[in-house]
Amino acid sequence: DAKTTQPTSMDCAEGRAANLPCNHSTISGNEYVYWYRQIHSQGPQYIIHGLKNNETNEMASLIITEDRKSSTLILPHATLRDTAVYYCIVRVKPQDYGGATNKLIFGTGTLLAVQP
Amino acid sequence: GAGVSQSPRYKVAKRGQDVALRCDPISGHVSLFWYQQALGQGPEFLTYFQNEAQLDKSGLPSDRFFAERPEGSVSTLKIQRTQQEDSAVYLCASSLGFQGTTGANVLTFGAGSRLTVL
Repeated sequence: DAKTTQPTSMDCAEGRAANLPCNHSTISGNEYVYWYRQIHSQGPQYIIHGLKNNETNEMASLIITEDRKSSTLILPHATLRDTAVYYCIVRVKPQDYGGATNKLIFGTGTLLAVQP
Repeated sequence: GAGVSQSPRYKVAKRGQDVALRCDPISGHVSLFWYQQALGQGPEFLTYFQNEAQLDKSGLPSDRFFAERPEGSVSTLKIQRTQQEDSAVYLCASSLGFQGTTGANVLTFGAGSRLTVL
């Protein structure tokens, strides 16, 4: 699986948009980009995923560059409850596992601190 | 249940003791994963089950670690002769599995079991 690079930490003011970048320059054509977050003392929580098109759900938006070498997770109106570690992960499409383990490989993520 | 349930939430063991950590996945979820998370680090993969079959145990750090899922539902992670370096949060996750899906395979995690070895 392709390796991802994320900033160690970021700050964001409450009510403003939080833009979390992720570099995945070695991503393959059959790999999805996933975002999970982990709030203190909880397990990781799925946020969103995408292949090559931009995606939006009730939690966030995912912007993937045309060459797919980087992406940005956008939390449109950050709240204090969004303070967490955000993980960007790339993973082979399920149809292409070929029997291999469909595990997620986490890095150290970005600690987003939302300030009041 | 509605989510992945893990027990105990907290476990303190003396060095050398055996411990067992339980995971109740979401009903109907085929895939089950165990992860280990040390303080300040991201989760590290330990092992993976598809139903009752343990298909990948490449992340288990030593032969003191053993996991099972005998009926394809509840899973237990057992650590024998615990050492201080085993102190960590142990996370369990489940998913519907990849067979027949056309989209991404989303993992749902439990809150974890925090193990402290003294």
